[in-house]
Amino acid sequence: AQTVTQSQPEMSVQEAETVTLSCTYDTSESNYYLFWYKQPPSRQMILVIRQEAYKQQNATENRFSVNFQKAAKSFSLKISDSQLGDTAMYFCAFMMNYGGSQGNLIFGKGTKLSVKP
Amino acid sequence: GAGVSQSPSNKVTEKGKDVELRCDPISGHTALYWYRQRLGQGLEFLIYFQGNSAPDKSGLPSDRFSAERTGESVSTLTIQRTQQEDSAVYLCASSLASSRGSDSFYEQYFGPGTRLTVT
Repeated sequence: AQTVTQSQPEMSVQEAETVTLSCTYDTSESNYYLFWYKQPPSRQMILVIRQEAYKQQNATENRFSVNFQKAAKSFSLKISDSQLGDTAMYFCAFMMNYGGSQGNLIFGKGTKLSVKP
Repeated sequence: GAGVSQSPSNKVTEKGKDVELRCDPISGHTALYWYRQRLGQGLEFLIYFQGNSAPDKSGLPSDRFSAERTGESVSTLTIQRTQQEDSAVYLCASSLASSRGSDSFYEQYFGPGTRLTVT
């Protein structure tokens, strides 16, 4: 069974600075997706960034980028130029890709990020 | 367009009562997922629908939990004889994911959830 571990329950960062959130996962499969989701107090889960396991290039989305280390099963999220609106819970998630259909998401326990003015 | 909606937003019930939680997915989305989020935890998968069929019920925690989907649209999650440990936020997500073969990625779009409190 796949598992996702986030070892940082809480983190804080000053506005405009850079922060990195950690995630490790365990799987014996080779074809999967990894994600970072953001959950603000509104409870709405928002997809921040995704990474396909077969891609060696790290995904980037504006101020958000990942460091995907497949052999180490590590998937960290870097947020540059942090903004007050980035304050939220961040969840790392794993999903199998069955080559035609997709599985359910498997989530870590989350990291609570606070951006301070 | 309209996103995934869930009702009620909040539900308080007494231990032992039955509850029904509703999810309206994005129109045209064939796949629908239910997740549970306990306080301070990540989301746990409960059940997955493809169309009106549920090929994966592996996450349902007990036989008190059941779900159905009709018209390849609305889904209802029912919890019978609620217990205090059922208190959580129940989130629904939908996607265009098809089992008929494609390498495309289909994002799961989440609703705002129903917060269930069992007293």
